[in-house]
Amino acid sequence: GAVVSQHPSWVICKSGTSVKIECRSLDFQATTMFWYRQFPKQSLMLMATSNEGSKATYEQGVEKDKFLINHASLTLSTLTVTSAHPEDSSFYICSASKVSPYNSPLHFGNGTRLTVT
Amino acid sequence: KQEVTQIPAALSVPEGENLVLNCSFTDSAIYNLQWFRQDPGKGLTSLLLIQSSQREQTSGRLNASLDKSSGRSTLYIAASQPGDSATYLCAVSPKAGTALIFGKGTTLSVSS
Repeated sequence: GAVVSQHPSWVICKSGTSVKIECRSLDFQATTMFWYRQFPKQSLMLMATSNEGSKATYEQGVEKDKFLINHASLTLSTLTVTSAHPEDSSFYICSASKVSPYNSPLHFGNGTRLTVT
Repeated sequence: KQEVTQIPAALSVPEGENLVLNCSFTDSAIYNLQWFRQDPGKGLTSLLLIQSSQREQTSGRLNASLDKSSGRSTLYIAASQPGDSATYLCAVSPKAGTALIFGKGTTLSVSS
């Protein structure tokens, strides 16, 4: 089956530093990848949609200069949390949409637990 | 704007019980609906996917139904086991290949 690998699974960083999270589709090509954020006991909220070779589309209220998304190939998208602050501590999870067939279900990574101290 | 609601937020049952989790969505124009399982601190495991043209899907002890016109889906778990304890998330896709919109989930606890 389709596998999405997300790395790292957890990270602790100091306030003011930047953290990069990788999302890879291991056995399929993903035209589109989605980045979600989940706060404790809350639902997954879409942050941005990442399309290969073009700029990401951010949801309302998500700062594009703080959450940098790069989707340089059909198998890799990265999310960089710049100048992280404690309020950025959350669970970040990516999902990928297969190029074909177009109506395939989305496949999710295992998520990254970010803790900013 | 599509909103997904799951009821109840939490549920505790003894082992062996059959149970139903509910999901409702405000806009019936959906492409498909998925049920996921999430263990604490972990990612998502897809359980069942129902296309908009389908009424139900079954996998083992799980059965999911979809009534698109009324904006409802149910996840039926038969003969619950302690290993079923997790948070169950319902999510809808507005269009093919678009992001999912999630409910807040139902946290299930099955006691032995």
